Amino acid sequence: GAGVSQSPSNKVTEKGKDVELRCDPISGHTALYWYRQSLGQGLEFLIYFQGNSAPDKSGLPSDRFSAERTGGSVSTLTIQRTQQEDSAVYLCASQWTGRTDTQYFGPGTRLTVL
Amino acid sequence: QQQVKQSPQSLIVQKGGISIINCAYENTAFDYFPWYQQFPGKGPALLIAIRPDVSEKKEGRFTISFNKSAKQFSLHIMDSQPGDSATYFCAASKGTYKYIFGTGTRLKVLA
Repeated sequence: GAGVSQSPSNKVTEKGKDVELRCDPISGHTALYWYRQSLGQGLEFLIYFQGNSAPDKSGLPSDRFSAERTGGSVSTLTIQRTQQEDSAVYLCASQWTGRTDTQYFGPGTRLTVL
Repeated sequence: QQQVKQSPQSLIVQKGGISIINCAYENTAFDYFPWYQQFPGKGPALLIAIRPDVSEKKEGRFTISFNKSAKQFSLHIMDSQPGDSATYFCAASKGTYKYIFGTGTRLKVLA
């Protein structure tokens, strides 16, 4: 079946603008993660959704970052008043918790803040 | 205590050689240790994973060695090929939740 998809693949925005990044997880996967990958760095956990439970937002770097997951499927990561340090690749991963340990990653959205 | 330290940062290996990447962790509660492979412009993909009840796991040319007492694990790529050139990330987690990733190793295999 289809893998995790993310859109847009690239986003260039001006400092101070808001951006929305979208993630479509693998159908049936109950868990969804957002990570940030800065140039030459590892993957930084941002937020985790599991079913109908309250999300784990412990990795969000500031209150300018928020995310939601509608209907237990599609997720949107919103960054308000973008700053240049927000420039990174934002990766989404989904996981069929309970059956497999594997997190399946999407191709990412490369965000550039000018 | 939540960190996973990965080394080296970059690695150059001749075709046919052995590539070795090392990771160390501190949290003894971690019980799942995956390795991910990432090609430029792509998301990471699971390569191989191990749980601490075994000391070694092999899948094709890829082997994970796990040393529970030292809190270290490593990835060995035998007969390295140019197509293996990618960035490799180790990770650790308790259960399947919220992986803690290493900082990555950029591997280049020379033809």
